[in-house]
Amino acid sequence: AQSVTQLGSHVSVSEGALVLLRCNYSSSVPPYLFWYVQYPNQGLQLLLKYTSAATLVKGINGFEAEFKKSETSFHLTKPSAHMSDAAEYFCAVYPGGNFGNEKLTFGTGTRLTIIP
Amino acid sequence: EPEVTQTPSHQVTQMGQEVILRCVPISNHLYFYWYRQILGQKVEFLVSFYNNEISEKSEIFDDQFSVERPDGSNFTLKIRSTKLEDSAMYFCASSGNIQYFGAGTRLSVL
Repeated sequence: AQSVTQLGSHVSVSEGALVLLRCNYSSSVPPYLFWYVQYPNQGLQLLLKYTSAATLVKGINGFEAEFKKSETSFHLTKPSAHMSDAAEYFCAVYPGGNFGNEKLTFGTGTRLTIIP
Repeated sequence: EPEVTQTPSHQVTQMGQEVILRCVPISNHLYFYWYRQILGQKVEFLVSFYNNEISEKSEIFDDQFSVERPDGSNFTLKIRSTKLEDSAMYFCASSGNIQYFGAGTRLSVL
């Protein structure tokens, strides 16, 4: 079985500051890991994904995440926050394998607020 | 940018009524999914669909729920007799090698 835990349901950072959103996973098989973002009244948009290649994954909008097997973590970072980053962020896991029939297991989400 | 389209954006219904939530997946995708998110809770997998049949379903997806791809383009989720606890945001998704999500339908059962 797979699960993800997102630490911190709300995170506030100042504009220009580092963004760090935490995600820890549990998986009985090598996982594929994802970060999705949800802007108000919109669907879930894929930010980035880890699929057992490079452990440091770069995504859209300047975000990146590092897969650390020893820490079972997949934290999302951005060096400098922008007002447009305010949104809900979801970490998700899928048992590694073929893409296509993905049953994603989501975390509870982290609402990111940017302070001007 | 391809997108998954869901209609309606908000559905209000009375308890016991049937509702059909509609989705238009991305045209060349083969796998389709429904997820739901009860307010304040995590996004939960409901069902996946491939080759005109259910490939996997969760324990939430009981006999009150059904899915259909009636015409080769739409993908629907039917709830036969809605309960108060069915109130949630329902997301449709489709995948080729990346799972794309729609904007969701907010279902309110009164």
